[in-house]
Amino acid sequence: EAAVTQSPRNKVAVTGGKVTLSCNQTNNHNNMYWYRQDTGHGLRLIHYSYGAGSTEKGDIPDGYKASRPSQENFSLILELATPSQTSVYFCASGEWGGRTLYFGSGTRLTVL
Amino acid sequence: GQQVQQSPPASLVLQEGENAELQCTYSTTLNSMQWFYQRPGGRLVSLLYSPSWAEQRGGRLTSSAASNESRSSLHISSSQITDSGTYLCANVGDNSKLIWGLGTSLVVNP
Repeated sequence: EAAVTQSPRNKVAVTGGKVTLSCNQTNNHNNMYWYRQDTGHGLRLIHYSYGAGSTEKGDIPDGYKASRPSQENFSLILELATPSQTSVYFCASGEWGGRTLYFGSGTRLTVL
Repeated sequence: GQQVQQSPPASLVLQEGENAELQCTYSTTLNSMQWFYQRPGGRLVSLLYSPSWAEQRGGRLTSSAASNESRSSLHISSSQITDSGTYLCANVGDNSKLIWGLGTSLVVNP
């Protein structure tokens, strides 16, 4: 069974603080993605990766960094968190074009 | 930019056993359409992947695409309470990126 695991499940951070969201996949997929989901905006792509060592900017990368140290792990980093980054973040792995796309359970981030 | 519009736009309320049809329309050429299901606060789960020329079936679900009409549909037959949740469609756009609709909330009442 394909699996994508995100941690933490919930996170409260202070404005200006650093936040790291982690994602691990056991699907051996080359491609991994970070999305945020907000009411009225749907899913928006932040960063993605084609494999270990690669990170690419998505549609809304400002204020976010990504790191892909291995095939299995893909992190999203908020160096200076702001309240506008309060959202639900989803990690996914799969083929480009979405034919096989597996999502994690999401991380609910609140920046105060 | 490229957009995907879902209908009904907000929510659909059904009685158990009724059929549901959800639609997505898109602003550019349909390459393929994928349908996802999401429980409140939950992960997204892929339901069906539909190339622009094909109808796909999976149990009580059928997806079809009409590329000449820039539209894709998801048909749910004999709805069940457990079908309640949000249904999202995504079109494969330029550079193979997914372009997402905002979702339709389905509520199935007993």
